[in-house]
Amino acid sequence: GQQLNQSPQSMFIQEGEDVSMNCTSSSIFNTWLWYKQEPGEGPVLLIALYKAGELTSNGRLTAQFGITRKDSFLNISASIPSDVGIYFCAGRANTGNQFYFGTGTSLTVIP
Amino acid sequence: GAGVSQSPSNKVTEKGKDVELRCDPISGHTALYWYRQSLGQGLEFLIYFQGNSAPDKSGLPSDRFSAERTGGSVSTLTIQRTQQEDSAVYLCASSLYFGGAVETQYFGPGTRLLVL
Repeated sequence: GQQLNQSPQSMFIQEGEDVSMNCTSSSIFNTWLWYKQEPGEGPVLLIALYKAGELTSNGRLTAQFGITRKDSFLNISASIPSDVGIYFCAGRANTGNQFYFGTGTSLTVIP
Repeated sequence: GAGVSQSPSNKVTEKGKDVELRCDPISGHTALYWYRQSLGQGLEFLIYFQGNSAPDKSGLPSDRFSAERTGGSVSTLTIQRTQQEDSAVYLCASSLYFGGAVETQYFGPGTRLLVL
């Protein structure tokens, strides 16, 4: 099945720094989702985007639905140790109800 | 309200045995998905159920894998004659189906399967 290109694959940052990651697709999507997964847990939904150009925040997290509808971005401001985990993007195309997932960005925050 | 639940949380089995994994979706969610996640990998789509429609089985890796959904709620994923490469985390997700499309997916905690 289709996989989204997610980058970077991993990040090692100092506590307090801002983080940016993105996802791109060869197809146009109508929905973009961002998840965080911690070891031994299922993915937890962070932000959902439904409209091109939409910018949505959830605390220190901000995500944007790209204008081309083929990409999305997630930013984390002022990172803290509990931000550690793997972040996945997921997209749904106009046809069908299947979600396609990125390969994940592993975030490590150094205190 | 209650989220998606899965059982068992962990399963260790011997090669060649059959296993059943269970998923209880969020109440009212008519769409249900199964995914497989191998160590350090992304999510691999397996199967999708929506209401009474025929399931989308396009992601099932072999005929040893099957799934059913009884009464439009609980789902069971069955793996027959398990192989070591079946070892992975099996994740279930459910969605609200509205206006002809699904909304966001909510995941369960997963079942960690180890085939010895």
